[in-house]
Amino acid sequence: QQQVKQSPQSLIVQKGGISIINCAYENTAFDYFPWYQQFPGKGPALLIAIRPDVSEKKEGRFTISFNKSAKQFSLHIMDSQPGDSATYFCAASKGSNYQLIWGAGTKLIIKP
Amino acid sequence: DAGVIQSPRHEVTEMGQEVTLRCKPISGHDYLFWYRQTMMRGLELLIYFNNNVPIDDSGMPEDRFSAKMPNASFSTLKIQPSEPRDSAVYFCASSFSARGNYGYTFGSGTRLTVV
Repeated sequence: QQQVKQSPQSLIVQKGGISIINCAYENTAFDYFPWYQQFPGKGPALLIAIRPDVSEKKEGRFTISFNKSAKQFSLHIMDSQPGDSATYFCAASKGSNYQLIWGAGTKLIIKP
Repeated sequence: DAGVIQSPRHEVTEMGQEVTLRCKPISGHDYLFWYRQTMMRGLELLIYFNNNVPIDDSGMPEDRFSAKMPNASFSTLKIQPSEPRDSAVYFCASSFSARGNYGYTFGSGTRLTVV
């Protein structure tokens, strides 16, 4: 029940296309859902986050869509660029517990 | 701010040797996390501290691993004795809990190779 399941494991998208990464969770107590971006040789960096009181959050080309009833959330990258090539992690946490439960990661490659 | 600073960036050591990884969190952050990342197991939380106090060390794989946070600006992760299966990238991250800010800031990691 503590798991966050992320798919796909890897994704190749043409430049200018839309990249979509999905995550699912079981624990309904989770109330914070961030996405992290990791480039080779670097630590993960917070990209965007959402709470379950909204169904969508947009920051530039990055959008989180949240479906509370389905217990799923997804990251959409519009107009994908080669510089977006990285590994993306979804995560979840609950209440004041700052321990994040991480997805397994998605390696995204944007082809020029 | 310089961000979370980890040292060394790379460490190669022989099996059986002691290894110490170091972390300087962002000033003012009250949570500190140690993670291990491998291809097979992904990101694993080893231990985390709140206000320098260890809160949860259930992810520490064995008694060979120990972590300390003697003050708000410094933490160490020690492996003694090291084994080849400890080879991984070790990340330190810190977070500021005020105002519901749950975002972690990660360091660039220490790549440990045990031969």
